Amino acid sequence: DSGVTQTPKHLITATGQRVTLRCSPRSGDLSVYWYQQSLDQGLQFLIQYYNGEERAKGNILERFSAQQFPDLHSELNLSSLELGDSALYFCASSVVGTGDTEAFFGQGTRLTVV
Amino acid sequence: GESVGLHLPTLSVQEGDNSIINCAYSNSASDYFIWYKQESGKGPQFIIDIRSNMDKRQGQRVTVLLNKTVKHLSLQIAATQPGDSAVYFCAENPGGYQKVTFGTGTKLQVIP
Repeated sequence: DSGVTQTPKHLITATGQRVTLRCSPRSGDLSVYWYQQSLDQGLQFLIQYYNGEERAKGNILERFSAQQFPDLHSELNLSSLELGDSALYFCASSVVGTGDTEAFFGQGTRLTVV
Repeated sequence: GESVGLHLPTLSVQEGDNSIINCAYSNSASDYFIWYKQESGKGPQFIIDIRSNMDKRQGQRVTVLLNKTVKHLSLQIAATQPGDSAVYFCAENPGGYQKVTFGTGTKLQVIP
């Protein structure tokens, strides 16, 4: 158990809908990262937050947004969902936000868009 | 279990043999590298890391080698066990608040 909690574990929704994925980082970790993993793309970095502020942005679509709350949990919002958004979404956390320390990953949320 | 990739390069190794997984990284400015292991249905798990001021680092049964000249990273697993079967990713970070970039992964299959 990495200490990072993601909910829900599985999500099935229809095209055009909006969903929210939730992540609770390890106790004491200030930085949260979101990744998308699809069968043909590998692990793609989406976005990083550190202590409530956005720190780095990757290949995140405009239909997607995220935030980190004062209690350090984070949410990833995916809207106007398309079939191609079906993937595993991972959250990871680390103590610092510089990316040069070990990150701990959650078990992921499996999103299926039908 | 869930598949993390349909077209991953696969390395098949006999149980007890040593495994070597290779990775070519892209950014010559990267100064921190990590190897992750991902078992079916689970999130990536940290194995070992190395900073650019080193060319070798050893852990328990694992060794990471870094060749900055050719931008190459390798993970050596000694006495490979069935529990080592997983997908292995290398990741690089150019430093500071910049995104960590993951490689495409290599699937390690251990033959009992």
